[in-house]
Amino acid sequence: ILNVEQSPQSLHVQEGDSTNFTCSFPSSNFYALHWYRWETAKSPEALFVMTLNGDEKKKGRISATLNTKEGYSYLYIKGSQPEDSATYLCASCSGNTPLVFGKGTRLSVIA
Amino acid sequence: DGGITQSPKYLFRKEGQNVTLSCEQNLNHDAMYWYRQDPGQGLRLIYYSQIVNDFQKGDIAEGYSVSREKKESFPLTVTSAQKNPTAFYLCASSIAPMNTEAFFGQGTRLTVV
Repeated sequence: ILNVEQSPQSLHVQEGDSTNFTCSFPSSNFYALHWYRWETAKSPEALFVMTLNGDEKKKGRISATLNTKEGYSYLYIKGSQPEDSATYLCASCSGNTPLVFGKGTRLSVIA
Repeated sequence: DGGITQSPKYLFRKEGQNVTLSCEQNLNHDAMYWYRQDPGQGLRLIYYSQIVNDFQKGDIAEGYSVSREKKESFPLTVTSAQKNPTAFYLCASSIAPMNTEAFFGQGTRLTVV
């Protein structure tokens, strides 16, 4: 079973602070790395899907990087806002296996 | 509106009864998935299907069954053999293979009493 680890488990930041989270995954047979945002009472929504080593993707104030050789990805949020409060899920798949999710990082942005 | 729909949102069943959770999508996706979430745990894969009339077990398939008779539908049956069925269940779909984003339903919270 693929093991995907996320840290920290939870995070509290002040509005306007920048923050980042880590996702680690097995680097062998890597296929894709996904980031999702899951707000309370809603469905998880995709932020990024990355496949190539060195990939960097950006959506507004949120960006992500990927290192497939060492098996980690970072998610960055610049100038956190209260609406960024959510659980951020990382998921990886290898070969023909479907996505395996980490436990998530729960972010709370305090106004 | 295109999307993925799970029903019902909340479900209560007595211990020993089988129960079926519905998942329907109109996104024309080939692949569909069932995940389970428990407190403090990540999403764990129960079953997945990459094409109609075919499905594979995930990491925690024991006590569950699925069918994929139509592209749009992937119902999950929680049988009486599932030792701890009370959980939050999420259905997802994607364009296979998994290098494209997954779309999720709103989830079904099952409580077995």
